[in-house]
Amino acid sequence: SYDLTQPLSVSVSPGQTASITCSGDELENKYVSWYQKKAGRSPFLVIYEDKKRPSGIPERFSGSNSGNTATLTISGAQAVDEGDYYCQTWDSSTTSLVFGTGTKVTVL
Amino acid sequence: QLQLEESGPGLVRPSETLSLVCSVSGVSLSGSSYFWGWIRQPPGKGLEWIASISKSGNIYYNPSLESRVAISIDMSKNQFSLKLSSVTHTDTAVYYCARMGTLIATPEGIVHWGQGTLATISS
Repeated sequence: SYDLTQPLSVSVSPGQTASITCSGDELENKYVSWYQKKAGRSPFLVIYEDKKRPSGIPERFSGSNSGNTATLTISGAQAVDEGDYYCQTWDSSTTSLVFGTGTKVTVL
Repeated sequence: QLQLEESGPGLVRPSETLSLVCSVSGVSLSGSSYFWGWIRQPPGKGLEWIASISKSGNIYYNPSLESRVAISIDMSKNQFSLKLSSVTHTDTAVYYCARMGTLIATPEGIVHWGQGTLATISS
C-alpha cells in the first residue's frame, strides 16, 4: 500500500506561520491536494495540484511539493484555521486514492 | 448547484451488509464526465477512500476493502450506491459521497461532498 504520513499536531500563534508536512515515497511525482476538516462538517478543499488554490480560498494558504514531502503553509494563521488537515494523492501502482494520516492544527 | 445527499440505515448488525445511497441533484449523472465516490471517517480516525465509479462503469476500489465492497450507479434515479458486506464494528464511520475528478487520479481535488451519514455497526 502507499502511505502518506503527517505530524499528529501543529500549534501556531495567531498571525504566525504554520507548516504541515505530508511524506510519501516519490511524492513529488504525484499531485497532492489538501483538505480542512472540522468536526461535524464535510472536508473542504484548500489546495489542489500541489499549489493551486480553489476559488475563494484565502491567499494565506499555499502549497508545495518536492522530493518525498508536500507542505501546506498557512501564513498569518487565524483562529478560523483551526481544524484537522489531510493531504491526498493518487497512487497509480495500487490504483488507490490515498489520504494522509491527518494533522490537528491549533491556533493559540 | 450540485448537491449530494447520503442516505442509509444508520444502524447495521455485525456480519450484515451496509447499503448506502447518494442522491445527486443539480447535475445529471448521465451527462457528467466525473467520477463519483465514497469516503469514510471512523470516529476519532482519519479519512479513508472506499471506491469510485464513472458513468461508463469504470470502477476502482480501495484494495483493503475490495473483497467486501460494491459500488454502482443508477442514472435513471441520478444516484450511486455503496454496499459493504460482512461489516464489523471497525466499519462504524461517517460515510461521505463525493464528486471526484474527471480522471480517476482526481488532481483537481474533491470539491463537492455530501454532508455525511453515520453508520453504526452494533448488535
